[in-house]
Amino acid sequence: KQEVTQIPAALSVPEGENLVLNCSFTDSAIYNLQWFRQDPGKGLTSLLLIQSSQREQTSGRLNASLDKSSGRSTLYIAASQPGDSATYLCARNTGGFKTIFGAGTRLFVKA
Amino acid sequence: NAGVTQTPKFRILKIGQSMTLQCTQDMNHNYMYWYRQDPGMGLKLIYYSVGAGITDKGEVPNGYNVSRSTTEDFPLRLELAAPSQTSVYFCASIETGTNSPLHFGNGTRLTVT
Repeated sequence: KQEVTQIPAALSVPEGENLVLNCSFTDSAIYNLQWFRQDPGKGLTSLLLIQSSQREQTSGRLNASLDKSSGRSTLYIAASQPGDSATYLCARNTGGFKTIFGAGTRLFVKA
Repeated sequence: NAGVTQTPKFRILKIGQSMTLQCTQDMNHNYMYWYRQDPGMGLKLIYYSVGAGITDKGEVPNGYNVSRSTTEDFPLRLELAAPSQTSVYFCASIETGTNSPLHFGNGTRLTVT
């Protein structure tokens, strides 16, 4: 069974802290790995997409890495801010039409 | 571009009632999807479509139906609502043939009582 697991399920940090969110997946077959942000009552917004041939992607304070051999991806958030508080989901695409989602990590950044 | 638009945002149904969740996108994407999201769970794929006139079942299709008469619209139909269908429903689309991200609507929160 293809699964995507995110640890921790919830995380609370003080403002300014650097943090890492983890995503692991079974089966190394991967087309791309995406990280999404979801605010309460809203849809998912794509943050970063790492193609199978890439090791990492960066956007502002966000850096996502991909290690296919170990079945892991991490999302690094630098200098966290209260506005970063949201649920972060990773999703694995194996090509074609199927994207498998993790349950998400709920992040709370305290001012 | 409005992106992916879903209506309604909220709905309460009684058991046995039917309704259609609307989804439209203006990005000319061929692939469209319906997901449901339950508390603490990842998104589960209900149905998907790879183009107008073509639909197929995802992981959890029971109790739902879809149609795709145009590239823009992909409505989801619930025929006999059940409490187990209480969830948040998301429509998404993607540009095919490229490593492009999924685009999501803002969701429909459905409660069946």
